[in-house]
Amino acid sequence: AQKITQTQPGMFVQEKEAVTLDCTYDTSDPSYGLFWYKQPSSGEMIFLIYQGSYDQQNATEGRYSLNFQKARKSANLVISASQLGDSAMYFCAMREASWAAGNKLTFGGGTRVLVKP
Amino acid sequence: SQTIHQWPATLVQPVGSPLSLECTVEGTSNPNLYWYRQAAGRGLQLLFYSVGIGQISSEVPQNLSASRPQDRQFILSSKKLLLSDSGFYLCAWSTNHGTTRYNEQFFGPGTRLTVL
Repeated sequence: AQKITQTQPGMFVQEKEAVTLDCTYDTSDPSYGLFWYKQPSSGEMIFLIYQGSYDQQNATEGRYSLNFQKARKSANLVISASQLGDSAMYFCAMREASWAAGNKLTFGGGTRVLVKP
Repeated sequence: SQTIHQWPATLVQPVGSPLSLECTVEGTSNPNLYWYRQAAGRGLQLLFYSVGIGQISSEVPQNLSASRPQDRQFILSSKKLLLSDSGFYLCAWSTNHGTTRYNEQFFGPGTRLTVL
C-alpha cells in the first residue's frame, strides 16, 4: 500500500502568488516525521521543512509552511510569494519511528511546480 | 560542515557491463548511508541503506549490490547492467544522534546512468 500520496503531478503558479502542494500519508505508527524536499532541474535534493507527529504547531521555515492536519493524515506544503527559482519538483516524505530500521524515508511521487513570470 | 560527494556525475554503459558508483561523506562520523534510484519524472526508490561498516540492508530485490568498506564510503555495484538499471542514482546520509536538527537526510548531487 502506498504510504505517501501526492495527487498533483504538476501545477502552474503565478510569480508572487502562494501555492499549496498536497501530501497525504498512511501510517499506524503514532510517532512519525514528515519532510518536504525540493529537487531543481540539476537533480540535487534540498531539504525544506519538517513536521513531527507530536508537534503542536505547524512548521514554518521562511516562505515555506506546512499545513499539518493529523486527523486527516495530510501535510500540505505552502509556498508563499512564489519566485521563479521555486520552479522544481517537490517531494513529500515520511519517516516512521523505527529507528532500528535506519531512519528510512518513504517518498511520494512528487509534484512539479512551474512559476510563471 | 558536512559534505557528500558522488562520482561519476554521468555514466553511459552498455548492457551487460559492470557498474561501480561511489559515494563519500565528509565532516561526520558513523552516518547512516542510503542509495536511491529515481526514474525520470518519478519519486525516489530506496535501494540500500547502511547503519555501519559492513552492514547493508536491501530494500528491493534487484540486479544491484552495495558495500560499505569504510565508515563514510558507500558503493553501489552491479556485475551485469540491465536496461532497466538506467536512472538517476542518489546517495544520502543522515545521523541518528541528534547532531542535525531533524536527523534529516542530506543528498549528494547524483549520478545519471544510461544503459544502452
